[in-house]
Amino acid sequence: DIQMTQSPSSLSASVGDRVTITCRASQSISRYLNWYQQRPGRAPKLLIYAASTLQSGVPSRFSGSGSGTDFTLTISSLQPEDFATYYCQQSHTTPRSFGQGTELDIK
Amino acid sequence: QVQLVQSGAEVKKPGASVKVACKASGYTFTTYGFSWVRQAPGQGLEWMGWISAYNGNTNYAQEFQGRVTMTRDTSTSTVFMELTSLRSDDTAIYYCVREGEVAGTVFFPFWGQGTLVTVSS
Repeated sequence: DIQMTQSPSSLSASVGDRVTITCRASQSISRYLNWYQQRPGRAPKLLIYAASTLQSGVPSRFSGSGSGTDFTLTISSLQPEDFATYYCQQSHTTPRSFGQGTELDIK
Repeated sequence: QVQLVQSGAEVKKPGASVKVACKASGYTFTTYGFSWVRQAPGQGLEWMGWISAYNGNTNYAQEFQGRVTMTRDTSTSTVFMELTSLRSDDTAIYYCVREGEVAGTVFFPFWGQGTLVTVSS
């Protein structure tokens, strides 16, 4: 099975900050990497698929990059609604494993 | 628009079974597969398995092999997830997810509202 590891596990930042979250796969997954945002009490929301393709309706301040084993999610200028938990997920093979999550909170 | 509506919360005793339903609407049901993802309280997301809405083929995570069964009913556009031999650590929110696919990339754009399953004696 492919293991997904995110860093950091938690992050404190301020509105307007630029934030980067990293996701590493235990083996190459090409660009089969998705990112989700989950707010408390809500279902996850797809932000980015195929490593860098923005899902329809997602603000352009979100961007993704990477291939192989190393990937990043960047939020260019944090907005109040961005404080949430972020998960990466590989879709290269089953089981379609998730990272452990990165909790982003207000500094 | 795509909607996934799941059945209501359940409370079960250890050793019992639970069956969660997820009714889809807003698109042609047999076009896309479904995954089930669970989330224990305060924990991350865990993929449980997949079912093809087209032909009912399934693919289960090793952790759940032998305990989980995913089925679908094309006449009602509903998928089901049954988990048996419940333990306290099966307490979680269970999400059904309709998959999307572009150029071989699978992703999860549509999620049900979640069903809380509580296992307690």
